[in-house]
Amino acid sequence: QSVLTQPPSESARPGQTVTISCFRSTSNIGGNYVYWYQQLPGTAPKLLIYGHDQRPSGVPDRFSGSKSGTSASLVISGVRSEDEADYYCAAWDDSLRAGVFGGGTKLTVL
Amino acid sequence: QAQLVESGGGVVQAGRSLRLSCAVSGFTFSEYAMHWVRQAPGKGLEWVTVISNDGGYKFYADSVKGRFTISRDNFRNTLYLHMSSLTAEDTATYYCARSKDGYNPKFLPHDWGLGTLVTVSS
Repeated sequence: QSVLTQPPSESARPGQTVTISCFRSTSNIGGNYVYWYQQLPGTAPKLLIYGHDQRPSGVPDRFSGSKSGTSASLVISGVRSEDEADYYCAAWDDSLRAGVFGGGTKLTVL
Repeated sequence: QAQLVESGGGVVQAGRSLRLSCAVSGFTFSEYAMHWVRQAPGKGLEWVTVISNDGGYKFYADSVKGRFTISRDNFRNTLYLHMSSLTAEDTATYYCARSKDGYNPKFLPHDWGLGTLVTVSS
């Protein structure tokens, strides 16, 4: 079981807003940055959010990230059909001295 | 534009070894820490290992510690992953990925390669 827990699935209709949560089960992540990745079917992961809430160039501002206490969230505003993908949160674990990924959330656009 | 191209995957018998390579271009390789991340078929992402820009530190996931070794050749702009004592649980697509930083391991991957598939047969 990962130290980062995500819901296995979420769904939304086009145009809606969806929030994907990432819960930290231990304190070992602490203040370390949370990252969010998008993986479209059959492709390599792509960085969506780094440093809790920073977007790399080229990532639409429909995607936003936040962190509060033991949880982090990825918010997708105005969901589009092309957003149907798997989404992963990740962070560095100071105790494990290793990177850790959440189990992933499959987003279905209805 | 950073480019990362993995190679060396294939089918290998359980208990044997395999070395993966990741050739990079489009950025100054020696300035960035590098990661390997893997994904078993139909499963989620699993962080494997990281190496600092100068090779001064290396960290590993518990699942591969003592069996996998990460290394780099900053003259050849190439990252390596030497995997030994392979088991079926190591079957996965292995991704090479660049960090945003040179030395801090807490900075996770920014740019990713397309991956190379390793299949361990029993």
